[in-house]
Amino acid sequence: GQSLEQPSEVTAVEGAIVQINCTYQTSGFYGLSWYQQHDGGAPTFLSYNALDGLEETGRFSSFLSRSDSYGYLLLQELQMKDSASYFCAVRDANTGFQKLVFGTGTRLLVSP
Amino acid sequence: GAVVSQHPSWVICKSGTSVKIECRSLDFQATTMFWYRQFPKQSLMLMATSNEGSKATYEQGVEKDKFLINHASLTLSTLTVTSAHPEDSSFYICSAGGTTGELFFGEGSRLTVL
Repeated sequence: GQSLEQPSEVTAVEGAIVQINCTYQTSGFYGLSWYQQHDGGAPTFLSYNALDGLEETGRFSSFLSRSDSYGYLLLQELQMKDSASYFCAVRDANTGFQKLVFGTGTRLLVSP
Repeated sequence: GAVVSQHPSWVICKSGTSVKIECRSLDFQATTMFWYRQFPKQSLMLMATSNEGSKATYEQGVEKDKFLINHASLTLSTLTVTSAHPEDSSFYICSAGGTTGELFFGEGSRLTVL
């Protein structure tokens, strides 16, 4: 099966940089995704890494190291609206390319 | 971009009644849909995978007779919570995948069973 571990909560101030880590154990690996979810809302896609290295999308970057079964989401120039839960997710290649298994989730609290 | 719509966005029902939640792909054909359940401050847990025109595949521990899933067309999947009880109160989210492999999530449906 799959398991993905994340820190439960991270706090930071506006304008800061924060890194959310994700370690995973999978029986097959087809990429690591990151999703943002505000309270009461649906998850929204942030990024996807299939290969090792850093992917940058505006203020958000995501990193993957397949040899370490590890990835992180880097959020720069934090804004209050970034307060949300962040989930890493892997695709379950054994049962379907599109089937996602989510990590435990990290709640980010951004303060003024 | 592609849109997945869920209805209702929230529902309150009495214990013992059944509730149906709809998930529609508005501008693409969804060959596969997934239903997730999320309890407060917890992660999304996959309940089942439904494929258009065939039976749903349920994850271990999910009662198929309690959570009925129907995916009768390429744009609609329904989740029916039968004989709902307070412990079924949760946030239910669907996601849909088209032929490109990308996943799109619905807005979620919050169920409260009294």
